[in-house]
Amino acid sequence: GQQVMQIPQYQHVQEGEDFTTYCNSSTTLSNIQWYKQRPGGHPVFLIQLVKSGEVKKQKRLTFQFGEAKKNSSLHITATQTTDVGTYFCAGRPLINAGGTSYGKLTFGQGTILTVHP
Amino acid sequence: EPEVTQTPSHQVTQMGQEVILRCVPISNHLYFYWYRQILGQKVEFLVSFYNNEISEKSEIFDDQFSVERPDGSNFTLKIRSTKLEDSAMYFCASRANYEQFFGPGTRLTVL
Repeated sequence: GQQVMQIPQYQHVQEGEDFTTYCNSSTTLSNIQWYKQRPGGHPVFLIQLVKSGEVKKQKRLTFQFGEAKKNSSLHITATQTTDVGTYFCAGRPLINAGGTSYGKLTFGQGTILTVHP
Repeated sequence: EPEVTQTPSHQVTQMGQEVILRCVPISNHLYFYWYRQILGQKVEFLVSFYNNEISEKSEIFDDQFSVERPDGSNFTLKIRSTKLEDSAMYFCASRANYEQFFGPGTRLTVL
């Protein structure tokens, strides 16, 4: 079955430093989503990437989707203490003629980000 | 802003007992999901539901699990005979387009 691997598992940074988490799928994806989960909270949708090579920015966050649509990254510039949490990528398999995916997402293991003030 | 709600927030049960976890998805959403997250681990897909039937399910979603949409608003997950390893946070999610909105979760503890 489809596997989504995410690295690193943990990242500790000083406030102001940059942070990057990487996501790699064993299969080609239709699209990839990123979620943030604060400690004790639930996943909150950040963004969806659909196109090969797509890059999207949200303020200090930059999301990339690989050319082969099998990998993705999230980069945070100049981290703040409000960035703490676990960042998950979640891939949706490529829709093919054999079936339809109604939105099944396979989540990566997540990267736990700690920001020290 | 509309949100997904879940009840109860915490459920404690004895092994072998049945539990029903309840969710109220966002009202105009058509796709519904259950996920679980064992403490400190990743979010795992259980089942998706569309047009009053299961559209996909994972290998975790065995015969002990069932889902229902008994009326126009509720979406439930039933575990017939709970096991210790069912202890986890269970999240309901719904969507209209591509963005999935997660509920706050129900923490299930099986003793």
